[in-house]
Amino acid sequence: AQKITQTQPGMFVQEKEAVTLDCTYDTSDPSYGLFWYKQPSSGEMIFLIYQGSYDQQNATEGRYSLNFQKARKSANLVISASQLGDSAMYFCAMREWDSGYSTLTFGKGTMLLVSP
Amino acid sequence: EAQVTQNPRYLITVTGKKLTVTCSQNMNHEYMSWYRQDPGLGLRQIYYSMNVEVTDKGDVPEGYKVSRKEKRNFPLILESPSPNQTSLYFCASSYGQLSTEAFFGQGTRLTVV
Repeated sequence: AQKITQTQPGMFVQEKEAVTLDCTYDTSDPSYGLFWYKQPSSGEMIFLIYQGSYDQQNATEGRYSLNFQKARKSANLVISASQLGDSAMYFCAMREWDSGYSTLTFGKGTMLLVSP
Repeated sequence: EAQVTQNPRYLITVTGKKLTVTCSQNMNHEYMSWYRQDPGLGLRQIYYSMNVEVTDKGDVPEGYKVSRKEKRNFPLILESPSPNQTSLYFCASSYGQLSTEAFFGQGTRLTVV
């Protein structure tokens, strides 16, 4: 079974609008962390935001926020006021703390295109 | 500047010719790992290292070797590359395996013909 599922291969949004990128995860570990990374066309991986499984509040970093719904096992990324520079591939990832070894497991990604 | 440096950025090679992709970090991180990225598959972990002289297999280790003789360096070795190893490779490092962030190198685009 996939540990990280991103169901949206591609998303389109207009500049200045908000957009939500979906991510669901599967783990039996009580301790885990969820990450979002941005990969622009230049190829580098840019860390955006992190949410721990025990964090009481949803993580926020500037225009990025993580809508963490633990019971549903979802960790959606919300980008407010989209900018043209937000056009990129976005990856959701999970690290499980209690497993025998630690792997950052990635979803297959969502391509976001922001139009003027 | 804190960074993870991979070299080369681009490499085209022939089947069977041994190659090494270097990775170096200047943040004194304990944990380092290698990933490959393929279209439609996301990133998959190849090998990781929790400290000097401690390495272990990730999800797709076949055809790869690594070494960790020094804390800052974690080279990826392809002893006999094959076309199915054509991919985009990333090295990453973090303070420890429980770290809340991983820093990635710029990526190495490898083509094996």
